Formats: sequence, structure tokens, C-alpha cells
Amino acid sequence: DTAVSQTPKYLVTQMGNDKSIKCEQNLGHDTMYWYKQDSKKFLKIMFSYNNKELIINETVPNRFSPKSPDKAHLNLHINSLELGDSAVYFCASSQEWGADEQYFGPGTRLTVT
Amino acid sequence: QKEVEQDPGPLSVPEGAIVSLNCTYSNSAFQYFMWYRQYSRKGPELLMYTYSSGNKEDGRFTAQVDKSSKYISLFIRDSQPSDSATYLCAMGGSSNTGKLIFGQGTTLQVKP
Repeated sequence: DTAVSQTPKYLVTQMGNDKSIKCEQNLGHDTMYWYKQDSKKFLKIMFSYNNKELIINETVPNRFSPKSPDKAHLNLHINSLELGDSAVYFCASSQEWGADEQYFGPGTRLTVT
Repeated sequence: QKEVEQDPGPLSVPEGAIVSLNCTYSNSAFQYFMWYRQYSRKGPELLMYTYSSGNKEDGRFTAQVDKSSKYISLFIRDSQPSDSATYLCAMGGSSNTGKLIFGQGTTLQVKP
């Protein structure tokens, strides 16, 4: 009974392709996040949605476009993939906006060749 | 200078040792302090959550916050091989931005 789930778990693709990662949480939380973890394990926030509304949009290339169809889902679409996009992408959720306890999904390991 | 500094290690200790993990930070607005544990190829899981200065204990784990020194610690007593993981500190501000700033993570190996 996974709280925050992501698909796919692994994604290997070539430069220039477009891909999507999906996230779902069954915790009833209002807020969801996308993080990127690089090879040095630095975890950096990319986007945050609260009640389907975009709240945080860090300095991320506009090739990355999040979409929240409802409170329980947050997807990430990436256009024209580049080698530097290779990383692990984590989805997370928190009960409400401003609640600092965040719960993470298992991650999607993206490799761009 | 990064907002949150954490020694990436790796840190290797024998089973049963007391482990001390630390982070320093520069932003005095941080009010919430967390420790996450991340096993290899898994997502971070929330281990400890503290608000403001002081100590919090949960089983073998103790989190300590010293806001005057901008320094937080996580102590693990009687360390076990199952504690081998990367430990990430994270901090949130008082302005309800919902944004957590993470340290780089310290990789811990507990040898049997």
C-alpha cells in the first residue's frame, strides 16, 4: 500500500526525446513536489503544487513542464532530453502548504544517452 | 557558501558504535530541522523532525538542534548494519514557503 508512487522506476532514453514521469499519492495530501537528485546526492526542489496550483518553480529549463490533473497526481514532462538531465527524480508530498514534513516516492532513475 | 553544509563522508564505523552526523547552516530563518534516511536506490524517508533548538529522542536516534551555533546533529546509538544508508539533513523556513533545503547527505556504513 504505497503512499507515494512513481512510474516508471527506470527510464533510459536518447538525447532529444520527450518523456514523462508520473506520480501519485494516496495520503490525502494537498501539496506535491518534484525534486532532482544528482550524482553527488544533492536533492534540489524543482516544482511544487498546492491543490493543483503551481507554487514553486525553481530555476528549471522550460523543457520541464509539470502538470497536476488533481491533488493526488503530479506528472513531469521533459522535452528534448539532454545528457545533463540524467539524474534521479523524486516526487514528494506534504499534508498542506507550509508543512515541512515531506514524504518521498521511490524515485525515477533517468539515464539519457 | 551553500545554505546547508554536510560532510558527505563516507563514514565507516563498527557495529555497536555511537554515530554522530552533523550539518551547519547559514540561514537564521530556518525553524524546522529534519533528518532523512536514504537507502541505496530508494527514496528518502523521514527519520526525525524537530522544531527550534533542543533535543528529540526516538529509540536509538537523537536529534539535536543548536540555533545559536546554526548546527544540527543526529546521534545513532548502538549502530547496526541496517543503519547503513545516506543521511540527509533538511531545513525549512519560518515563512511557510514549503521549501526544504537539503544537505548533501552523509554516507554511513556500519560494519558487522
